[in-house]
Amino acid sequence: AQKITQTQPGMFVQEKEAVTLDCTYDTSDPSYGLFWYKQPSSGEMIFLIYQGSYDQQNATEGRYSLNFQKARKSANLVISASQLGDSAMYFCAMRSYNYGQNFVFGPGTRLSVLP
Amino acid sequence: DSGVTQTPKHLITATGQRVTLRCSPRSGDLSVYWYQQSLDQGLQFLIQYYNGEERAKGNILERFSAQQFPDLHSELNLSSLELGDSALYFCASSVGSGLEYNEQFFGPGTRLTVL
Repeated sequence: AQKITQTQPGMFVQEKEAVTLDCTYDTSDPSYGLFWYKQPSSGEMIFLIYQGSYDQQNATEGRYSLNFQKARKSANLVISASQLGDSAMYFCAMRSYNYGQNFVFGPGTRLSVLP
Repeated sequence: DSGVTQTPKHLITATGQRVTLRCSPRSGDLSVYWYQQSLDQGLQFLIQYYNGEERAKGNILERFSAQQFPDLHSELNLSSLELGDSALYFCASSVGSGLEYNEQFFGPGTRLTVL
């Protein structure tokens, strides 16, 4: 069975500091992708970053990077130089490519950036 | 603005009724995804269409159906509505459907309330 675990329901970070949001996953499919999404309080969903299971390097997109540790089945999101606008819910998700291509989402982590 | 439009923004209806949610993808995007976000079940992937064909199926109930039309807009039909169907329904689009087309652009969502 596929599962995403996000163990931090809520986190606080000081503005301009870096923060790591944890995500662990479980799958038996060797071919999968890992996604992070941001949902501000306004409700829209924003795609942040993607990591494929066969990618050799960790994905980066601006201030976002994904710390992919395949053996540990973890895909943590690192946000550098936090900004007040980073306050939001963050969801980790996985897509299996060999078993129906279903997406599975974690419960989310609420990040609050303090001034 | 992601370029993905969803109508209506809000929908209030009664149990047992049927509703249709509409999504227009970004210009040039061939894939459309539907997601449900509820307090009880969190974020769930429902279904994906690519260029008019069903590409992946998630936790979509038999009372729900979707299609993608030749102009690439998509509709999600929800019938025999139950109180538990109350949720925010997101549509997203991407250029393609393969591993390399991972960036998804989300619409603002349709908030469905079943009374």
